[in-house]
This record gives sequence, C-alpha cells and structure tokens, in this order.
Amino acid sequence: AQSVTQPDIHITVSEGASLELRCNYSYGATPYLFWYVQSPGQGLQLLLKYFSGDTLVQGIKGFEAEFKRSQSSFNLRKPSVHWSDAAEYFCAVGAQAGTALIFGKGTTLSVSS
Amino acid sequence: KAGVTQTPRYLIKTRGQQVTLSCSPISGHRSVSWYQQTPGQGLQFLFEYFSETQRNKGNFPGRFSGRQFSNSRSEMNVSTLELGDSALYLCASSVRGGLSSYNEQFFGPGTRLTVL
Repeated sequence: AQSVTQPDIHITVSEGASLELRCNYSYGATPYLFWYVQSPGQGLQLLLKYFSGDTLVQGIKGFEAEFKRSQSSFNLRKPSVHWSDAAEYFCAVGAQAGTALIFGKGTTLSVSS
Repeated sequence: KAGVTQTPRYLIKTRGQQVTLSCSPISGHRSVSWYQQTPGQGLQFLFEYFSETQRNKGNFPGRFSGRQFSNSRSEMNVSTLELGDSALYLCASSVRGGLSSYNEQFFGPGTRLTVL
C-alpha cells in the first residue's frame, strides 16, 4: 500500500539558515510526488511536484526538492529560510490513476530570529 | 479568478446530528475532492467527484457521503455525527480528474467542524 513518512514532526531553523525537510514514500511504481504548505487557518498551497524527468524540481518561494528513487525519498530544501516560511509542510504521493493524494503527517517548521 | 470557497468556515454540532458542508470550485474546474484533516490521522482522502459522478472513494464509513451539482459545486454530508468527526474538512478542485503535471489541485481554506 502507498504511504508517506515525514520523520520530523517539528523542526526549528534560524532565519537565513538552510532547510531540509525529509520525506520517504512507499509505492510500487513511479510515484507522483508533491509538497504542500499550510499556514494557520489556511488551506494547502502546492509548493512543487514531481511527475517525471529531471529529479531536481524547482518550486515556488525558493523551494526545491530532489527525487531519489534508490532511497524512496523526496526531500524539500531551501537555501535560506525567511520568518514567513514558518508553517506546516506536507509531503504527498499520488497514484497514477485517480486524484487521491496520500499525505504524510506533516512537519511543523518554526523559524527563530 | 476566485479561489476555492468553502462554507461555512466554522461549525459546531452535537453527537447524533447531521451536517452538510459546501464547496464551490474555481470557475471552470470540474473535479472536486474532499479530505479530512485531524491531529491524529492527518490528511485523509474522502472522495472525488467529476462531472457529478463519484470517481474515487477513501476508506470512510457510509455516514460520509457527497454529491456534485451540474455547476460543479459539491456538498459533503456526515450523518449521525460522532466526536471523532471533529476535523478540518478541506476540498480541492482541479480542471479535470486525475493527476498530471498540468492538472493541479487547488485547496480551499476548509470548514472546521467541532462535534460536542
């Protein structure tokens, strides 16, 4: 069965420091992978997605993620974190048929000054 | 272009009651999906509707149902509410059903349901 694991429940990063949020997935075929961000009281906003091709994916707000098939990972990175990046981040995998997304439990990012 | 709207934003009900939540997709979008978000279970897929037909369903009891109208607006209904149904219910719309690099899902702000 498909599943997504985000090992870190909560991460605190200093403003200006780099960020890496981990995501591991379990899926038999080539997955469709996504990262979403959710701010308090808001819905989910898509940061980036991987369907095929280049394994390094660029997204909005300066985020990028790298698909590593051998490690079943799709980690999210940002070179320099801003205070406004504090939010909850969700990794998700989608089946190749249908629209249903399987989400990880999320990682809460706090940014310290 | 207006985003996905959900009404009401907040709702308080008591056990045993039923509730109906509404989702208006982005204009031109024909697919609507519903998700339940709770602290314990996280985000879980409920169902998807496309052109008034349920295309996909998650692993939820029959108390959870939905429908889609000809204008693509969707409603979900939960009957005989239980305390565990307290959650944020999110809907997402996309132009067409299915996942693809060109068919992004856009999420609404959610309806916060509290069951007392």
